[in-house]
Amino acid sequence: KQEVTQIPAALSVPEGENLVLNCSFTDSAIYNLQWFRQDPGKGLTSLLLIQSSQREQTSGRLNASLDKSSGRSTLYIAASQPGDSATYLCAALSHNTDKLIFGTGTRLQVFP
Amino acid sequence: GAGVSQSPRYKVAKRGQDVALRCDPISGHVSLFWYQQALGQGPEFLTYFQNEAQLDKSGLPSDRFFAERPEGSVSTLKIQRTQQEDSAVYLCASSLGGQGNTIYFGEGSWLTVV
Repeated sequence: KQEVTQIPAALSVPEGENLVLNCSFTDSAIYNLQWFRQDPGKGLTSLLLIQSSQREQTSGRLNASLDKSSGRSTLYIAASQPGDSATYLCAALSHNTDKLIFGTGTRLQVFP
Repeated sequence: GAGVSQSPRYKVAKRGQDVALRCDPISGHVSLFWYQQALGQGPEFLTYFQNEAQLDKSGLPSDRFFAERPEGSVSTLKIQRTQQEDSAVYLCASSLGGQGNTIYFGEGSWLTVV
Protein backbone atom coordinates (compact mmCIF):
# COMPACT_ATOMS: atom_id res chain seq x y z
CA LYS A 1 0.00 0.00 0.00
CA GLN A 2 1.41 3.36 -1.06
CA GLU A 3 2.14 5.84 1.71
CA VAL A 4 3.35 9.37 1.10
CA THR A 5 5.14 11.49 3.70
CA GLN A 6 6.13 15.12 3.57
CA ILE A 7 8.63 16.98 5.68
CA PRO A 8 8.75 19.52 7.12
CA ALA A 9 5.11 19.91 8.11
CA ALA A 10 5.56 23.67 8.29
CA LEU A 11 8.20 26.11 7.19
CA SER A 12 8.59 29.85 7.72
CA VAL A 13 11.28 31.72 5.79
CA PRO A 14 12.17 35.31 4.91
CA GLU A 15 11.57 36.51 1.40
CA GLY A 16 14.32 35.70 -1.08
CA GLU A 17 15.43 32.39 0.36
CA ASN A 18 15.77 29.28 -1.74
CA LEU A 19 14.03 26.35 -0.14
CA VAL A 20 13.45 22.63 -0.51
CA LEU A 21 10.33 20.66 0.32
CA ASN A 22 10.63 16.91 0.71
CA CYS A 23 8.31 14.10 -0.24
CA SER A 24 8.88 10.37 0.22
CA PHE A 25 6.81 7.42 -0.93
CA THR A 26 6.96 3.76 0.04
CA ASP A 27 6.08 2.06 -3.25
CA SER A 28 8.55 2.91 -5.99
CA ALA A 29 6.29 1.46 -8.71
CA ILE A 30 4.74 4.81 -9.43
CA TYR A 31 3.36 6.06 -12.74
CA ASN A 32 3.96 9.69 -11.90
CA LEU A 33 4.36 12.11 -9.02
CA GLN A 34 2.66 15.47 -8.83
CA TRP A 35 3.12 18.58 -6.74
CA PHE A 36 0.11 20.73 -5.91
CA ARG A 37 -0.40 24.05 -4.23
CA GLN A 38 -3.37 24.73 -1.95
CA ASP A 39 -4.28 28.20 -0.75
CA PRO A 40 -6.45 28.57 2.36
CA GLY A 41 -10.08 27.84 1.57
CA LYS A 42 -9.26 26.85 -1.98
CA GLY A 43 -8.87 23.72 -4.04
CA LEU A 44 -5.64 22.28 -5.36
CA THR A 45 -3.65 23.72 -8.24
CA SER A 46 -1.29 21.42 -10.11
CA LEU A 47 2.25 22.80 -10.19
CA LEU A 48 4.42 20.09 -11.68
CA LEU A 49 3.93 16.53 -12.89
CA ILE A 50 6.91 14.19 -13.19
CA GLN A 51 6.48 10.98 -15.14
CA SER A 52 8.23 7.92 -13.74
CA SER A 53 10.71 7.98 -16.62
CA GLN A 54 11.72 11.57 -15.87
CA ARG A 55 14.18 12.89 -13.32
CA GLU A 56 12.92 16.44 -12.99
CA GLN A 57 10.52 19.09 -14.20
CA THR A 58 10.85 22.86 -14.09
CA SER A 59 8.33 25.68 -14.20
CA GLY A 60 9.57 29.18 -13.56
CA ARG A 61 11.09 29.34 -10.08
CA LEU A 62 9.95 25.80 -9.29
CA ASN A 63 11.94 22.64 -9.90
CA ALA A 64 10.79 19.18 -8.90
CA SER A 65 13.02 16.13 -8.92
CA LEU A 66 12.19 12.46 -8.71
CA ASP A 67 14.34 9.57 -7.51
CA LYS A 68 12.25 6.45 -7.77
CA SER A 69 14.91 4.12 -6.40
CA SER A 70 15.06 5.98 -3.11
CA GLY A 71 11.35 6.83 -3.08
CA ARG A 72 11.90 10.55 -2.90
CA SER A 73 10.87 13.75 -4.62
CA THR A 74 11.89 17.29 -3.80
CA LEU A 75 10.32 20.60 -4.73
CA TYR A 76 12.82 23.41 -4.98
CA ILE A 77 11.54 26.99 -4.84
CA ALA A 78 14.03 29.64 -5.85
CA ALA A 79 13.98 33.21 -4.56
CA SER A 80 10.85 32.72 -2.49
CA GLN A 81 8.20 35.46 -2.38
CA PRO A 82 5.34 36.19 0.04
CA GLY A 83 2.95 35.09 -2.71
CA ASP A 84 4.43 31.58 -2.46
CA SER A 85 2.83 31.21 0.98
CA ALA A 86 0.50 28.21 0.76
CA THR A 87 0.36 24.50 1.52
CA TYR A 88 2.30 22.31 -0.88
CA LEU A 89 1.13 18.75 -1.40
CA CYS A 90 2.80 15.92 -3.26
CA ALA A 91 0.83 12.98 -4.61
CA ALA A 92 1.86 9.68 -6.13
CA LEU A 93 -0.04 7.83 -8.84
CA SER A 94 0.75 4.13 -8.89
CA HIS A 95 0.53 1.84 -11.91
CA ASN A 96 -2.84 0.20 -12.55
CA THR A 97 -4.72 2.72 -10.48
CA ASP A 98 -6.31 6.08 -11.04
CA LYS A 99 -6.23 7.39 -7.50
CA LEU A 100 -3.65 9.83 -6.23
CA ILE A 101 -2.16 9.16 -2.82
CA PHE A 102 -1.39 12.45 -1.10
CA GLY A 103 1.04 13.44 1.60
CA THR A 104 -0.11 15.62 4.48
CA GLY A 105 1.49 18.71 3.00
CA THR A 106 4.05 21.34 3.93
CA ARG A 107 2.61 24.64 5.10
CA LEU A 108 4.90 27.39 3.82
CA GLN A 109 4.97 30.96 5.00
CA VAL A 110 7.25 33.47 3.31
CA PHE A 111 7.45 36.75 5.19
CA PRO A 112 8.62 40.08 3.77
CA GLY B 1 -17.54 26.77 -17.05
CA ALA B 2 -13.79 27.01 -17.17
CA GLY B 3 -13.10 24.86 -14.13
CA VAL B 4 -14.54 22.25 -11.81
CA SER B 5 -17.49 23.72 -9.96
CA GLN B 6 -18.76 22.47 -6.62
CA SER B 7 -21.83 23.37 -4.61
CA PRO B 8 -22.62 24.21 -1.96
CA ARG B 9 -19.31 25.77 -0.99
CA TYR B 10 -20.26 25.65 2.68
CA LYS B 11 -22.74 23.42 4.45
CA VAL B 12 -23.60 23.15 8.12
CA ALA B 13 -25.61 20.06 8.94
CA LYS B 14 -27.06 18.84 12.18
CA ARG B 15 -25.94 15.39 13.19
CA GLY B 16 -28.21 12.83 11.60
CA GLN B 17 -29.15 14.97 8.58
CA ASP B 18 -28.57 13.84 5.03
CA VAL B 19 -26.47 16.05 2.75
CA ALA B 20 -25.86 16.11 -0.99
CA LEU B 21 -22.79 17.68 -2.56
CA ARG B 22 -22.70 18.46 -6.25
CA CYS B 23 -19.80 18.51 -8.68
CA ASP B 24 -19.79 19.90 -12.23
CA PRO B 25 -16.61 18.69 -13.92
CA ILE B 26 -14.89 20.38 -16.81
CA SER B 27 -16.86 19.74 -19.97
CA GLY B 28 -15.65 16.67 -21.82
CA HIS B 29 -13.71 15.25 -18.90
CA VAL B 30 -14.18 11.52 -18.68
CA SER B 31 -12.71 10.91 -15.24
CA LEU B 32 -14.19 12.27 -12.04
CA PHE B 33 -12.84 11.82 -8.54
CA TRP B 34 -14.05 12.60 -5.02
CA TYR B 35 -11.60 13.20 -2.20
CA GLN B 36 -12.12 13.98 1.48
CA GLN B 37 -9.74 16.36 3.23
CA ALA B 38 -9.79 16.68 7.00
CA LEU B 39 -8.32 19.76 8.62
CA GLY B 40 -4.52 19.74 8.42
CA GLN B 41 -4.42 16.57 6.36
CA GLY B 42 -3.90 15.72 2.73
CA PRO B 43 -6.85 14.67 0.58
CA GLU B 44 -7.96 11.05 0.91
CA PHE B 45 -9.43 9.21 -2.08
CA LEU B 46 -13.13 8.36 -1.85
CA THR B 47 -14.33 7.22 -5.26
CA TYR B 48 -13.69 7.41 -9.02
CA PHE B 49 -15.91 7.46 -12.10
CA GLN B 50 -15.11 6.93 -15.72
CA ASN B 51 -18.06 8.44 -17.53
CA GLU B 52 -21.09 7.07 -15.66
CA ALA B 53 -19.34 3.96 -14.38
CA GLN B 54 -18.13 3.97 -10.80
CA LEU B 55 -14.89 2.04 -11.17
CA ASP B 56 -13.53 2.38 -7.67
CA LYS B 57 -15.36 3.15 -4.44
CA SER B 58 -12.84 1.63 -2.11
CA GLY B 59 -12.29 4.89 -0.24
CA LEU B 60 -15.87 5.47 0.84
CA PRO B 61 -15.64 5.26 4.66
CA SER B 62 -19.01 3.65 5.28
CA ASP B 63 -22.27 2.68 3.64
CA ARG B 64 -23.61 6.10 4.63
CA PHE B 65 -21.60 7.51 1.72
CA PHE B 66 -22.94 7.16 -1.79
CA ALA B 67 -21.86 8.74 -5.06
CA GLU B 68 -23.41 8.78 -8.50
CA ARG B 69 -22.81 10.20 -11.94
CA PRO B 70 -25.86 9.00 -13.88
CA GLU B 71 -25.21 10.75 -17.19
CA GLY B 72 -21.47 10.80 -17.10
CA SER B 73 -21.23 14.49 -16.33
CA VAL B 74 -22.48 15.99 -13.07
CA SER B 75 -21.80 13.93 -9.95
CA THR B 76 -23.41 13.96 -6.54
CA LEU B 77 -21.87 12.74 -3.29
CA LYS B 78 -24.52 11.92 -0.72
CA ILE B 79 -23.88 11.40 2.96
CA GLN B 80 -26.69 9.92 4.99
CA ARG B 81 -27.17 10.37 8.74
CA THR B 82 -24.16 12.67 9.03
CA GLN B 83 -21.79 12.26 11.96
CA GLN B 84 -19.34 14.75 13.43
CA GLU B 85 -16.41 12.81 11.98
CA ASP B 86 -17.80 13.55 8.50
CA SER B 87 -16.80 17.20 8.94
CA ALA B 88 -14.23 17.87 6.23
CA VAL B 89 -13.72 19.47 2.86
CA TYR B 90 -15.00 17.33 0.01
CA LEU B 91 -13.00 17.91 -3.14
CA CYS B 92 -14.08 16.95 -6.61
CA ALA B 93 -11.61 16.62 -9.46
CA SER B 94 -11.79 15.76 -13.13
CA SER B 95 -9.46 14.87 -15.96
CA LEU B 96 -9.58 13.88 -19.61
CA GLY B 97 -9.01 10.29 -18.56
CA GLY B 98 -6.14 7.90 -18.70
CA GLN B 99 -3.16 7.85 -16.45
CA GLY B 100 -0.91 10.82 -16.49
CA ASN B 101 -3.40 13.46 -17.55
CA THR B 102 -3.53 16.63 -15.51
CA ILE B 103 -6.17 16.48 -12.84
CA TYR B 104 -8.14 19.63 -12.05
CA PHE B 105 -9.65 20.20 -8.63
CA GLY B 106 -12.66 22.23 -7.59
CA GLU B 107 -12.56 24.53 -4.58
CA GLY B 108 -14.36 22.00 -2.43
CA SER B 109 -17.48 21.78 -0.34
CA TRP B 110 -16.82 22.53 3.31
CA LEU B 111 -19.05 20.37 5.50
CA THR B 112 -19.43 21.01 9.20
CA VAL B 113 -21.59 18.62 11.21
CA VAL B 114 -22.80 20.03 14.53
